[in-house]
Amino acid sequence: GNSVTQMEGPVTLSEEAFLTINCTYTATGYPSLFWYVQYPGEGLQLLLKATKADDKGSNKGFEATYRKETTSFHLEKGSVQVSDSAVYFCAFTRSAGGTSYGKLTFGQGTILTVHP
Amino acid sequence: GAVVSQHPSRVICKSGTSVKIECRSLDFQATTMFWYRQFPKQSLMLMATSNEGSKATYEQGVEKDKFLINHASLTLSTLTVTSAHPEDSSFYICSARALSGANVLTFGAGSRLTVL
Repeated sequence: GNSVTQMEGPVTLSEEAFLTINCTYTATGYPSLFWYVQYPGEGLQLLLKATKADDKGSNKGFEATYRKETTSFHLEKGSVQVSDSAVYFCAFTRSAGGTSYGKLTFGQGTILTVHP
Repeated sequence: GAVVSQHPSRVICKSGTSVKIECRSLDFQATTMFWYRQFPKQSLMLMATSNEGSKATYEQGVEKDKFLINHASLTLSTLTVTSAHPEDSSFYICSARALSGANVLTFGAGSRLTVL
């Protein structure tokens, strides 16, 4: 069935360290892929997305490339900050548009803690 | 940008009572809203798709009589947890898709329900 597998956390890094959070998916067709971030006490915010193979989503120094051959969408950041501490969710939707677009399948989330 | 307000953010109720959670799009119209449930340290699971003016579509395994969804206007969807029990305690979060049809989803901040 459709699923998302994320790197298990928690991940603890020092400020300015390099971050990778792995994400692989199982889905038919050509899903759109997302990374969402959830800061403490807040809802989910879209961090970045990619809608087709080889697309690179980027935002706030974070990047992820849609790799169809490996069904992956790993999140990376070259230099993390304390303010990046949050829970990160990888997700996809099977529908490219229409009323089913918002039906997201989420990974289990990865807790990131960045220390000064 | 698009904002979705979810209310209440926290609610504590006694077992057997019903609780209503509101999801409101503040500056855009949403034909479709989605309700998710997040268990502690787990991912978000889609519960149902709420369509303005029609019945909600529930995911497999979600009790429609337990989780009543109403989408009476283009800016408001409500989730009512009926006869709540401790196992219903969870974090409920909604997302909204704009009427314009753009592939943009906006999440609310979530509602934490605790049933005693």
